[in-house]
Amino acid sequence: KQEVTQIPAALSVPEGENLVLNCSFTDSAIYNLQWFRQDPGKGLTSLLLIQSSQREQTSGRLNASLDKSSGRSTLYIAASQPGDSATYLCAVSSGNTGKLIFGQGTTLQVKP
Amino acid sequence: KAGVTQTPRYLIKTRGQQVTLSCSPISGHRSVSWYQQTPGQGLQFLFEYFSETQRNKGNFPGRFSGRQFSNSRSEMNVSTLELGDSALYLCASSSSYYEQYFGPGTRLTVT
Repeated sequence: KQEVTQIPAALSVPEGENLVLNCSFTDSAIYNLQWFRQDPGKGLTSLLLIQSSQREQTSGRLNASLDKSSGRSTLYIAASQPGDSATYLCAVSSGNTGKLIFGQGTTLQVKP
Repeated sequence: KAGVTQTPRYLIKTRGQQVTLSCSPISGHRSVSWYQQTPGQGLQFLFEYFSETQRNKGNFPGRFSGRQFSNSRSEMNVSTLELGDSALYLCASSSSYYEQYFGPGTRLTVT
């Protein structure tokens, strides 16, 4: 049974810092991995999708890496801003379907 | 392109009642998935529909059901509501490669 873990559960950093969020999964046979952002009481916003054959994806100040063999992904946020404050969720798909298994999320606070 | 829409956004129901939530996917997306989000359990997969057929089902009781129409719009139904069904219900539609796009959610409160 696939399990997804995110560490740390919460993180507080000063504005401008570079930071790394971690995600680990127990079954390396994944189809893809997706990072999301969720603001309080809102839906999820897709940040990056990494196919199983890819090692990383970049979008603006965000970079996500994937190491299937070790069951890990990291989300790197450069030059953090207060607007980056949100909960970041990692999710994996184990097949060619829409079913995602989510981690519990990392709640990020960026202080001005 | 319009995003995923969900109606209603908020609902208050009484224990024992039933409720129907609606989801309209992004145009052209044929896969629609439903998730329940609670503070204690996080995000849990309910079911997925593709071309009007249920393709995957999560570990929820039979009180939770869904369907998909020929235009890919989907509904989920919860019968005999319990207090523990209070949650944010999220719908997602998938593009090719199954990148998921989520709607704003329906906040259900059961009293």
